[in-house]
Amino acid sequence: DTGVSQDPRHKITKRGQNVTFRCDPISEHNRLYWYRQTLGQGPEFLTYFQNEAQLEKSRLLSDRFSAERPKGSFSTLEIQRTEQGDSAMYLCASSSSGGAYEKLFFGSGTQLSVL
Amino acid sequence: GNSVTQMEGPVTLSEEAFLTINCTYTATGYPSLFWYVQYPGEGLQLLLKATKADDKGSNKGFEATYRKETTSFHLEKGSVQVSDSAVYFCALSEAGANSKLTFGKGITLSVRP
Repeated sequence: DTGVSQDPRHKITKRGQNVTFRCDPISEHNRLYWYRQTLGQGPEFLTYFQNEAQLEKSRLLSDRFSAERPKGSFSTLEIQRTEQGDSAMYLCASSSSGGAYEKLFFGSGTQLSVL
Repeated sequence: GNSVTQMEGPVTLSEEAFLTINCTYTATGYPSLFWYVQYPGEGLQLLLKATKADDKGSNKGFEATYRKETTSFHLEKGSVQVSDSAVYFCALSEAGANSKLTFGKGITLSVRP
């Protein structure tokens, strides 16, 4: 179990630029989640994949955000035309699908700063 | 919708002090309840959970009891250590929600030697 990996750890960008983050889940996990966490707040759900299918998206996920999980392995989260309000920690988590609840394993996150 | 409310922080305690961190929730169904912990420089990790009313979750000396009548899941530890210094998040997952979590704001605990 190598854990959930996220890349990069930090990203600084200028307003209006596009950014892409990557998440590598635990290899046998078929569920993958993206969360966003701003300073002083708990993580907020953005979207969820089961294998390659994106099954749920939060209203927080505007049209500028897109997430993919090709082949049901790693996932990418892209933000187009970044705004200062997008500055946050973006967290990825994975789990296996089994009973009513499966433990989520979180990565260390990608800290995005939009200047 | 679902929500989780945690007591305001930060909290600073001396080693071996008793800890209580309050958490209350609002949910439409019968959620599962969790405490997650984030140690400095690390990712969130599950500390304990309870899946039905009156269940007690426990781990590493921490305990929390699922109280449906008061919609609460307060975290307690009898004697904290410096190594317990971290950010603690209360969270819920609604039944059938594919493990999606709703988190509270979190509270920072600092334990002095």
